[in-house]
Amino acid sequence: DAKTTQPPSMDCAEGRAANLPCNHSTISGNEYVYWYRQIHSQGPQYIIHGLKNNETNEMASLIITEDRKSSTLILPHATLRDTAVYYCIVRDQSYNTDKLIFGTGTRLQVFP
Amino acid sequence: EPEVTQTPSHQVTQMGQEVILRCVPISNHLYFYWYRQILGQKVEFLVSFYNNEISEKSEIFDDQFSVERPDGSNFTLKIRSTKLEDSAMYFCASTEGTQYFGPGTRLTVL
Repeated sequence: DAKTTQPPSMDCAEGRAANLPCNHSTISGNEYVYWYRQIHSQGPQYIIHGLKNNETNEMASLIITEDRKSSTLILPHATLRDTAVYYCIVRDQSYNTDKLIFGTGTRLQVFP
Repeated sequence: EPEVTQTPSHQVTQMGQEVILRCVPISNHLYFYWYRQILGQKVEFLVSFYNNEISEKSEIFDDQFSVERPDGSNFTLKIRSTKLEDSAMYFCASTEGTQYFGPGTRLTVL
């Protein structure tokens, strides 16, 4: 079973920041937080990952709380093309063969 | 930017037929995976593969399924005798740390 909890759906106005929360209260010290998204039935797209520090790349920012029990993915200026299902996944990166366990994610709807 | 590719994009087959789904992982990656997603359901892990052998498989990956790396670039998933319930999107992924997914093959079993 997925070790994360996410709201099933969220809305965001185009051009505004989308803040997607994730709870992972049982995360262990070796586990990273990964975010992927899936647009329609396309393959999951990697967005960002982190261990304990906040991370930023060209797609998004990841804010992880100090106790690591929750995190927030931030899309700073959402566009209509960001409408997708967003998955928060914890994964032990010590093992390269470690599978990803997907939950049901958050369906983000960006509206004009 | 390197990417995982999959062929075909859509495969239609009759129940009981064999199908082979093909994947070309990112070239310097050594760990490979297959996942599937039945319409409206979660993405589910099927199997992981490293060094020409299966590393882990799920309960879904029964004797009807097999994987192979027939050459230095392709990674295949074979379903020996397809069932109606095998209809799904099948995603290949590869990694050297972060998993990158292909676009998927939609398998329709009639």
